[in-house]
Amino acid sequence: QSALTQPASVSGSPGQSITISCTGTSSDVGGYNYVSWYQQHPGKAPKLMIYEVSNRPSGVPDRFSGSKSGNTASLTISGLQAEDEADYYCSSYTSSSTLRVFGGGTKLTVL
Amino acid sequence: QVQLVESGGGLVKPGGSLRLSCAASGFTFSDYYMSWIRQAPGKGLEWVSYISSSGSTIYYADSVKGRFTISRDNAKNSLYLQMNSLRAEDTAVYYCARDSSSGWYHVDYWGQGTLVTVSS
Repeated sequence: QSALTQPASVSGSPGQSITISCTGTSSDVGGYNYVSWYQQHPGKAPKLMIYEVSNRPSGVPDRFSGSKSGNTASLTISGLQAEDEADYYCSSYTSSSTLRVFGGGTKLTVL
Repeated sequence: QVQLVESGGGLVKPGGSLRLSCAASGFTFSDYYMSWIRQAPGKGLEWVSYISSSGSTIYYADSVKGRFTISRDNAKNSLYLQMNSLRAEDTAVYYCARDSSSGWYHVDYWGQGTLVTVSS
């Protein structure tokens, strides 16, 4: 099962908005509404930011939002803050035998 | 509060074995599906293995199939990963994570991770 495709890096200035894409196929992203996004700061465990495409867990700021169109899911962070600088990973349920797949990760730099 | 604490990592020679444990607390362990996820140094996340709440349904990544065995003891609130025939490419931080109560759709809590190093 190939990994979902994410840009290696994105950047933005404080206060701006950025979007990270996560492209798969009709067997994963496009076929199920089970896309999730994780934030990982260096040396720390990942943290769930978005689940089921667009739902935010309790405690996650509403600056974080998720969406999906066809085989591509997106994570948008509005009003960028310095603490948003981290790696972000998408994941999707998949019809393959392994059931789930991660994206390769995107490093967000806040300029 | 939900806590997941991994243990059992360390340095092992190629071909060797290790057993990772994950002690869960703060929730009804037997209600939840669970997963192991790993991250090689400087690399991305990789799903390793996942198990249903009862332990009756199990999945493995192709990269570990036949070498790793996931199990759980609901009476002890513990998740395990038996790793045999270890290879250099298994070197990674291994995370224990809680899935939902109804399936493997997303993980909402992660442990702090335990480092496994496979080297001669």
